[in-house]
Amino acid sequence: KQEVTQIPAALSVPEGENLVLNCSFTDSAIYNLQWFRQDPGKGLTSLLLIQSSQREQTSGRLNASLDKSSGRSTLYIAASQPGDSATYLCAAHDSGTYKYIFGTGTRLKVLA
Amino acid sequence: SQTIHQWPATLVQPVGSPLSLECTVEGTSNPNLYWYRQAAGRGLQLLFYSVGIGQISSEVPQNLSASRPQDRQFILSSKKLLLSDSGFYLCACTTSYEQYFGPGTRLTVT
Repeated sequence: KQEVTQIPAALSVPEGENLVLNCSFTDSAIYNLQWFRQDPGKGLTSLLLIQSSQREQTSGRLNASLDKSSGRSTLYIAASQPGDSATYLCAAHDSGTYKYIFGTGTRLKVLA
Repeated sequence: SQTIHQWPATLVQPVGSPLSLECTVEGTSNPNLYWYRQAAGRGLQLLFYSVGIGQISSEVPQNLSASRPQDRQFILSSKKLLLSDSGFYLCACTTSYEQYFGPGTRLTVT
């Protein structure tokens, strides 16, 4: 059974810092790995999708990497801003199923 | 691009009352549709998913049910709510394996 873990659960950094959020999954048989952002009381916003055949994806200040063999993905945020404060979730799409397994998220606070 | 609508945005219901939450999708056809519940401080729990009209897969046995009467409409229902049904309910669709979410419904059962 696929399990997804995100470490740390919470993170507080000063504005301008580069930071890395971690996501690990137990079963490497995945179609893709997706990163989301969730603001308080809101739905999830898709940030990056990495297909199983890809190693990384980039969008602006965000870069996500995927290492299937080790069961890990990282989300790198460059030059963090207070507007980046939110909860970040990763989800693994299990191969052979329609299911997405979510981690419990990392709550990020960027201090001005 | 697809847009997901959910209503109502918030709902307060007494224990034992019925429930109907609706989700509609625009901008895509034949989507896979999902209902998730997010309890306070916890991750997303998959409740139901559907790969076509009338096709529902249940992930968690409970007093909730789902229906898909049209291609881009997904409904979550209950005949009698429990206190434990309180939470944030999210509808999602998948396009080319990427998941997109609606704004959610905050349900409080009193």
